Amino acid sequence: DIQMTQSPSSLSASIGDRVTITCRASQNIDQFLNWYQQTPGKAPKLLIYGSSHLFGGVPSRFTGSGSGTEFTLTINSLQPEDFGSYFCQQSYSTLYTFGQGTKLEI
Amino acid sequence: QVVLTQSGAVLMKPGSSVKVSCKASGDSLSGFGVSWLRQAPGRGLEWIGSVTPKFTRTEYGPRFKGRVAITADGSTNAAYMEIGSLRSEDSAMYYCARGGGIGGDWFEPWGQGTLVTVSS
Repeated sequence: DIQMTQSPSSLSASIGDRVTITCRASQNIDQFLNWYQQTPGKAPKLLIYGSSHLFGGVPSRFTGSGSGTEFTLTINSLQPEDFGSYFCQQSYSTLYTFGQGTKLEI
Repeated sequence: QVVLTQSGAVLMKPGSSVKVSCKASGDSLSGFGVSWLRQAPGRGLEWIGSVTPKFTRTEYGPRFKGRVAITADGSTNAAYMEIGSLRSEDSAMYYCARGGGIGGDWFEPWGQGTLVTVSS
């Protein structure tokens, strides 16, 4: 299996801050990396696919980058609705695997 | 756009089986893969398995092979996941999502989740 490791596991930030979450793969996954946001009590929602492509309707303050084994999700100018958990997921292998998550708190 | 609606929460005995349904509305499921995932309380996301577009093939995570069956029915536009030999560690929120079964894919949208509790 391809192991995905996120850092940090938790993060405190304020409204208006810029935050960056990192995801590392145990092997090369090209750009087959997706990011999801989950707010408490809700199902996850896709934010970014293919490392850097913003899914429809997702605000432009979310950006993704990276290839190979190292990827980042950046949120510019944090808004109240951005607080929750974020997960990366590789789709290079159809034995899909997720990072353990990053909890973003106020 | 497709909306996925899952069956309701269940309480199951250890050793029993449970079948969770995922009904699609607004679009056909057969043009896309369908995947099942789960999340134990306070934990991360775990992929269980997927059925490929047109429902031609299924693939399962190593931890679930032999214990889980994913099926889909084009006539009812629904997918199903059955998990057997339930144990307490299987207590989790189970989600279906459109996507999966092919490389480079992603999961979106997701169903609302089905809480499965395994307890004697």
